[in-house]
Amino acid sequence: GAVVSQHPSWVICKSGTSVKIECRSLDFQATTMFWYRQFPKQSLMLMATSNEGSKATYEQGVEKDKFLINHASLTLSTLTVTSAHPEDSSFYICSARVRRTGETQYFGPGTRLLVL
Amino acid sequence: GQNIDQPTEMTATEGAIVQINCTYQTSGFNGLFWYQQHAGEAPTFLSYNVLDGLEEKGRFSSFLSRSKGYSYLLLKELQMKDSASYLCAARDVGGYNKLIFGAGTRLAVHP
Repeated sequence: GAVVSQHPSWVICKSGTSVKIECRSLDFQATTMFWYRQFPKQSLMLMATSNEGSKATYEQGVEKDKFLINHASLTLSTLTVTSAHPEDSSFYICSARVRRTGETQYFGPGTRLLVL
Repeated sequence: GQNIDQPTEMTATEGAIVQINCTYQTSGFNGLFWYQQHAGEAPTFLSYNVLDGLEEKGRFSSFLSRSKGYSYLLLKELQMKDSASYLCAARDVGGYNKLIFGAGTRLAVHP
């Protein structure tokens, strides 16, 4: 149990385009999901907390108008990188919190974004 | 403030034991997690401590001392496949129980 999927796993896009990344909990309901970004050889940086049915909570320094988060159902959260630029190229990872396991967070496989 | 410290790199020999330390300072501590991350992959959950003491899971054990703000991950009978980054994360009760991650410890296991 506690499987989290992400789609797509790889994205290459032109500067100025928008990219949508989906995060799904496959065998459980996740009222809370988290979105992280990781640059090479660095640790995970929390971008925002996504709550089903309400607005996302963004960490300090993260532009909410650039990184749009929608938690439309108990099994799906999406992150849209709007008007992507080369500096947005990174590894984006979502996680979902599972209440029955002490609220452990389980991570999706990640999405590697390359903006040209 | 919030701060998680762990060594940047460690090396060990196959078959040996290695201990990765982590110290933390968070305003609303509610649990300590360890994750393993291989290069280019997402983190996988290893262990979770909320009470003081040792939690053992096969070759991996994790220890927590809340009064000292200290945890360690112990890896026994090291295998080459254990070469990875090990992330220490403290859960903060504020903000939907989010995790505050350390920078990670890159462990290299040599034959």
